[in-house]
Amino acid sequence: DAGVTQSPTHLIKTRGQQVTLRCSPKSGHDTVSWYQQALGQGPQFIFQYYEEEERQRGNFPDRFSGHQFPNYSSELNVNALLLGDSALYLCASSLVAGDETQYFGPGTRLLVL
Amino acid sequence: QQQVKQSPQSLIVQKGGISIINCAYENTAFDYFPWYQQFPGKGPALLIAIRPDVSEKKEGRFTISFNKSAKQFSLHIMDSQPGDSATYFCAAVPNSGGGADGLTFGKGTHLIIQP
Repeated sequence: DAGVTQSPTHLIKTRGQQVTLRCSPKSGHDTVSWYQQALGQGPQFIFQYYEEEERQRGNFPDRFSGHQFPNYSSELNVNALLLGDSALYLCASSLVAGDETQYFGPGTRLLVL
Repeated sequence: QQQVKQSPQSLIVQKGGISIINCAYENTAFDYFPWYQQFPGKGPALLIAIRPDVSEKKEGRFTISFNKSAKQFSLHIMDSQPGDSATYFCAAVPNSGGGADGLTFGKGTHLIIQP
């Protein structure tokens, strides 16, 4: 049973560029949440997708957008990258009809130069 | 505004000792309190979780103590081992009635178990 997978593992971009990160949820899960984890900090909630729609959103600007596909996989897009966007981006999956347990993937390390 | 405050920031414990990490929250709508363990280069892994209707939950060497009136909860790691060296995060989430909402995390505790 595959857990949550994310790609790529590492990414280097320059300021102003756009980036797309990908996530496949744990088998059987239908909900995907994205988090940003700056170095030495706890993860911060970006948004959550269910049934291909944004279900909930944290305090992040519109430069952060996402998408969920019919197979429940998801993408996180960040436009007009800033140096401060450098972080570990984590994807977590869960089941909307289940409990509050979220399972995290290994993350994508983004470095903005 | 940080809704979940975690302390200490770092902790060093001798092998076999008890590691204690504390968290406090402000939002009374929080209804589910998980603890996550994170090793370098890895994503957080769920360790143990509790709801406010119980004051304590134990799983193996890990115990959560919960004080609803004080809005505080803590993680105790008994017989701490070098393999427990990691960063620990407390988190909280409100009950929205449908699955998992976005987690609010503490800032983390870097735990080192000395052999």
